[in-house]
Amino acid sequence: GENVEQHPSTLSVQEGDSAVIKCTYSDSASNYFPWYKQELGKRPQLIIDIRSNVGEKKDQRIAVTLNKTAKHFSLHITETQPEDSAVYFCAALYNFNKFYFGSGTKLNVKP
Amino acid sequence: GAVVSQHPSRVICKSGTSVKIECRSLDFQATTMFWYRQFPKQSLMLMATSNEGSKATYEQGVEKDKFLINHASLTLSTLTVTSAHPEDSSFYICSARDLRGGASGNQPQHFGDGTRLSIL
Repeated sequence: GENVEQHPSTLSVQEGDSAVIKCTYSDSASNYFPWYKQELGKRPQLIIDIRSNVGEKKDQRIAVTLNKTAKHFSLHITETQPEDSAVYFCAALYNFNKFYFGSGTKLNVKP
Repeated sequence: GAVVSQHPSRVICKSGTSVKIECRSLDFQATTMFWYRQFPKQSLMLMATSNEGSKATYEQGVEKDKFLINHASLTLSTLTVTSAHPEDSSFYICSARDLRGGASGNQPQHFGDGTRLSIL
């Protein structure tokens, strides 16, 4: 299967600063990479995704970049707010059907 | 948007009890659903892929006789934790993909609310 690694495991930033979370994947055939935000005890919520034929995608304060050659993709959050505090997971679609998740990053935005 | 419903949200029971968890796609048909397990402060670990009308596909290390999966219809998959023990206590969450836009492989999955299972 696919192996997805995610860094850092915890990230603390000051409100208004940017946050960057990075993931790498092992299977070059993976072609779809979503990012999820999960608050304690709740379901993961899709916040942004990127397909393999695109290098970057932006949605307001959130952006994702993908480097297929290096097999890594990153989540960028600008102008962070306290409500951005949560655990973020990256994922990669393997074999067109299965998603494998990174280990998660706990983001703490300090007011 | 696509909605996945999971029930129950919380189960507390004695060791040795079997527990059934239901996952339903409410406004779309899902030929495939996924079951994950999440320990506190850890990632979602894929347990198995539930296939409508056929046997589930289990990930390496997951006991198929322990975690029985049934996908009898296009909108319902069930996970039964048989003879549950304290080590089975965890957060179980299902997901399904809405492929109405085409089965190109690039559709996100939608998660249920999860089931917190506590075995005493």
